[in-house]
Amino acid sequence: SAVISQKPSRDICQRGTSLTIQCQVDSQVTMMFWYRQQPGQSLTLIATANQGSEATYESGFVIDKFPISRPNLTFSTLTVSNMSPEDSSIYLCSVEDQTGPLAYEQYFGPGTRLTVT
Amino acid sequence: AQSVTQLDSHVSVSEGTPVLLRCNYSSSYSPSLFWYVQHPNKGLQLLLKYTSAATLVKGINGFEAEFKKSETSFHLTKPSAHMSDAAEYFCVVSRAGGTSYGKLTFGQGTILTVHP
Repeated sequence: SAVISQKPSRDICQRGTSLTIQCQVDSQVTMMFWYRQQPGQSLTLIATANQGSEATYESGFVIDKFPISRPNLTFSTLTVSNMSPEDSSIYLCSVEDQTGPLAYEQYFGPGTRLTVT
Repeated sequence: AQSVTQLDSHVSVSEGTPVLLRCNYSSSYSPSLFWYVQHPNKGLQLLLKYTSAATLVKGINGFEAEFKKSETSFHLTKPSAHMSDAAEYFCVVSRAGGTSYGKLTFGQGTILTVHP
């Protein structure tokens, strides 16, 4: 199974600043995803990040606010720009890993807990 | 389009009694369905998944779920709750495999409390 690490694990930031979250996978994967989990809420997909192409954003999320990089098959970053208290959430990276013929698993990182003051 | 509805936001059981967490789904495609568990301050862990094979799916820690297409349901059960089962559980749907699952759509979550 893919092992995912995220940095930082948590941060407290001031409004108006930006934070870049890193996601590192221990194997090469094609599909990576970024999710947000607001306090007391479920997970919402922000964007899909495939290596070699622009990230695909879900409705309600835009590149200027959440720029994503995917420079290779094991790494991605998500930046939360011009932060406001409403951006306080847990941000999770996930990957899809092929485990066999026509068999896939999705794994999640431990998350980055962001508090904006 | 796909969506998931978890019918209970909170479920409380006594240790040793059965657990039932209810989930209904909607999908324009043949779905893949999952249950994930999230313990406090821990990451998400896959409990089990349905991907168009057997309709009764067994997962880790004694959990199982049954896919019922006629009822569009995928309820999670466990015969006997353990204190360590206390966590939040998410029912998740995605487009059926083939090449990949792609985008996951999460339900709102059910918090399971287990009393001694």
